[in-house]
Amino acid sequence: GAVVSQHPSRVICKSGTSVKIECRSLDFQATTMFWYRQFPKQSLMLMATSNEGSKATYEQGVEKDKFLINHASLTLSTLTVTSAHPEDSSFYICSARGGRVRETQYFGPGTRLLVL
Amino acid sequence: EDQVTQSPEALRLQEGESSSLNCSYTVSGLRGLFWYRQDPGKGPEFLFTLYSAGEEKEKERLKATLTKKESFLHITAPKPEDSATYLCAVQGTGGTSYGKLTFGQGTILTVHP
Repeated sequence: GAVVSQHPSRVICKSGTSVKIECRSLDFQATTMFWYRQFPKQSLMLMATSNEGSKATYEQGVEKDKFLINHASLTLSTLTVTSAHPEDSSFYICSARGGRVRETQYFGPGTRLLVL
Repeated sequence: EDQVTQSPEALRLQEGESSSLNCSYTVSGLRGLFWYRQDPGKGPEFLFTLYSAGEEKEKERLKATLTKKESFLHITAPKPEDSATYLCAVQGTGGTSYGKLTFGQGTILTVHP
């Protein structure tokens, strides 16, 4: 296998609060994890790349102080959306490399965030 | 800069009507070309990885092929449960983000019973 889980699957929060999303590789050690954002009827937009024990690399235009990424172990990465606002509402998906197929990213089921 | 273009944007088939999805790409050194299936409200599900021109992979009713410029996802005798968005992505050897994927916009496949 190469299973990636995300928690929570859905979250509703008030504007100004922070939300943490967990991404876990369940049956393999992930050398690298990635965080994406997906808008309705659009493809995936890479937000950042993280390696265990090092700082995340953010894509151009993504605020690193807004979207905090921690990759504490080879099986866990977290994304914290700080001081969330309605425009942060979106579908967030993580992925992990290091599974059974070389170079391949395995995706989690996604987290739907709604900021009121 | 790596680029991926998928066609058609949407495809409607009758059950049992075979067809192909196209993924054209430009990349500075190919590390891998990937096909995923995505259902509404879910994360992409891995289908295939192809590494070099001439390579083919099969899984049930799906077969992926690769040339130096494009990849095809052939669907043989599709069923309604094959309805989904099919995403193609490439990973090149250039760039500063290791393992970064460049995605196409996807093909929305609908199979009618």
